[in-house]
Amino acid sequence: ELQLVESGGGLVQPGRSLRLSCAASGFTFGDYAMSWVRQAPGKGLEWVGFIRSKAYGVTIEYAASVKGRFTISRDDSKSIAYLQMNSLKTEDTAVYYCTRGGSYYGWFDPWGQGTLVTVSS
Amino acid sequence: DIQMTQSPSSLAASVGDRVTITCRASQSISSYLNWYQQKPGKAPKVLIYTASTLQSGVPSRFSGSGSGTDFTLTISSLQPEDFATYYCQQSYSTPLTFGGGTKVEI
Repeated sequence: ELQLVESGGGLVQPGRSLRLSCAASGFTFGDYAMSWVRQAPGKGLEWVGFIRSKAYGVTIEYAASVKGRFTISRDDSKSIAYLQMNSLKTEDTAVYYCTRGGSYYGWFDPWGQGTLVTVSS
Repeated sequence: DIQMTQSPSSLAASVGDRVTITCRASQSISSYLNWYQQKPGKAPKVLIYTASTLQSGVPSRFSGSGSGTDFTLTISSLQPEDFATYYCQQSYSTPLTFGGGTKVEI
């Protein structure tokens, strides 16, 4: 069964850092791009960024709203993707979803259950 | 950036109704358009990818069409479990972008 499980969310003060993890199972993790998508409370979906597979040079792209503050990485030996979030702002408050795929011409499937990040003093 | 505009933003329908949701891209995206369904408190799930390909396991009452800038998601006969919010998403270029969503209510 394909499964993605996020962890690491919580309450953090503005300006601080947080790292989310996404543990994958049920597929050959190293063969796929991995993406992060977020959803602010009561709002729509916003793409955060993706990291492509080794076959595509492990290239990474980010949304402008997080570029320079967030870093996506992956450990194919552990089947885990990471989202390092620095200099957090109140507007980063959202449920963060990990999802497989999402690179050029692709789609997001499956999705993790999401982890809530609340940025507040 | 490619802007995705969905309409309507919400609609009320009854079980058995035919429902159509449209999505318009601000520039041509060929057929690189995906549709997702999201229920309250749950993660989205893909219904249709590359405009018209039905994801495995998704009921055949869902269908997608279109290319270029105009796309449609159709539910041929609305079922109780279909009341949810639907999003379109383009994967033609980064930043990847979603439509604002269409909430389908009873």
